[in-house]
Amino acid sequence: DAGVIQSPRHEVTEMGQEVTLRCKPISGHNSLFWYRQTMMRGLELLIYFNNNVPIDDSGMPEDRFSAKMPNASFSTLKIQPSEPRDSAVYFCASSFQGNQPQHFGDGTRLSIL
Amino acid sequence: KQEVTQIPAALSVPEGENLVLNCSFTDSAIYNLQWFRQDPGKGLTSLLLIQSSQREQTSGRLNASLDKSSGRSTLYIAASQPGDSATYLCAVSVDSSYKLIFGSGTRLLVRP
Repeated sequence: DAGVIQSPRHEVTEMGQEVTLRCKPISGHNSLFWYRQTMMRGLELLIYFNNNVPIDDSGMPEDRFSAKMPNASFSTLKIQPSEPRDSAVYFCASSFQGNQPQHFGDGTRLSIL
Repeated sequence: KQEVTQIPAALSVPEGENLVLNCSFTDSAIYNLQWFRQDPGKGLTSLLLIQSSQREQTSGRLNASLDKSSGRSTLYIAASQPGDSATYLCAVSVDSSYKLIFGSGTRLLVRP
């Protein structure tokens, strides 16, 4: 079975550029999560979707960050404009229901120069 | 505010040794607790989930225990192998919802 698929795996870009991260959840899962992992702050939940609807975006750090889920099989996390402090590994996870075990993708390692 | 702490931050043991990883949380009113494994450059893989009403869960060489009253959980790995080398994270769910609060992890190295 295909797991959660994220792209790209690595992204290096210059400060000020727009960055778009993509995620394909596991088929049949109705909950999708975006996390950010850094050495300083560990794993932080950015946003949670249920049935394609954003339920909790309290973890989104600033207005520069936005996330969409146009359908059950695709989500994007966009940063515009990007800043060096956004450098981190961004994970997408999905679950059958919101409180069921979450399955993680391999992440996108983002470096903003 | 719930906080999750994992000690030690790193651990190195020889192959074959039994070991214990520790996780503590500040608020005992949890819904469940999970242990995850993270390999370098990879996402998290769920190892064990313990509901708040349970005391322990076992999977192969792994055994996780939960003591809610003291705010502690341990992950016991028997007969460790080099393939067990990874970062182990615990996470608590404070209610029946989706929100997980993660510890910072213990980086384990099992030496051949």
